[in-house]
Amino acid sequence: GAGVSQTPSNKVTEKGKYVELRCDPISGHTALYWYRQSLGQGPEFLIYFQGTGAADDSGLPNDRFFAVRPEGSVSTLKIQRTERGDSAVYLCASSPGYNEQFFGPGTRLTVL
Amino acid sequence: DQQVKQNSPSLSVQEGRISILNCDYTNSMFDYFLWYKKYPAEGPTFLISISSIKDKNEDGRFTVFLNKSAKHLSLHIVPSQPGDSAVYFCAASKGSRLTFGEGTQLTVNP
Repeated sequence: GAGVSQTPSNKVTEKGKYVELRCDPISGHTALYWYRQSLGQGPEFLIYFQGTGAADDSGLPNDRFFAVRPEGSVSTLKIQRTERGDSAVYLCASSPGYNEQFFGPGTRLTVL
Repeated sequence: DQQVKQNSPSLSVQEGRISILNCDYTNSMFDYFLWYKKYPAEGPTFLISISSIKDKNEDGRFTVFLNKSAKHLSLHIVPSQPGDSAVYFCAASKGSRLTFGEGTQLTVNP
């Protein structure tokens, strides 16, 4: 079946701009996660949704980052006033509620 | 504060031999551990996991060992194959969020 998909696969933007990154989870998965991976590091937790609500947003680095999941399926990660330090691969994962999380291919964000 | 650490950034083994990847953690509240494999330009792929109530879990060529007293886990791949060449991440969870190590690049030489 279809896995987690993320769009766009690559996004290049200028410092100060607003970006939206989209995640389509595996159908039926109630839990959805966003992670950020910088070069040479492991993925770092940002936010976790159970259904439509953010159950844990403690990993969001500051208030420029925001994520929504209005219908309990697709999620959008929004970054305002982007900074060069935001450049990373943003990974989305979904889970049926067990411990294993299934990851998408990621969106590579480059802030010039 | 790095709660999950993979101290070896890289490992090279010969095809057919055993690969052993190591991971240490500091948080005794972690109750589930996972290994992921990652190829370039792809997301991490789930490989194998183990609950903190067990000390070993096996799936085909992959075995994960957990030593809770030492806060150490390892992934054994035997026999290693060239297609196993990838970055391997260990991850730990308490609740839902995963905490990842930095990854180990495994290269299996034909």
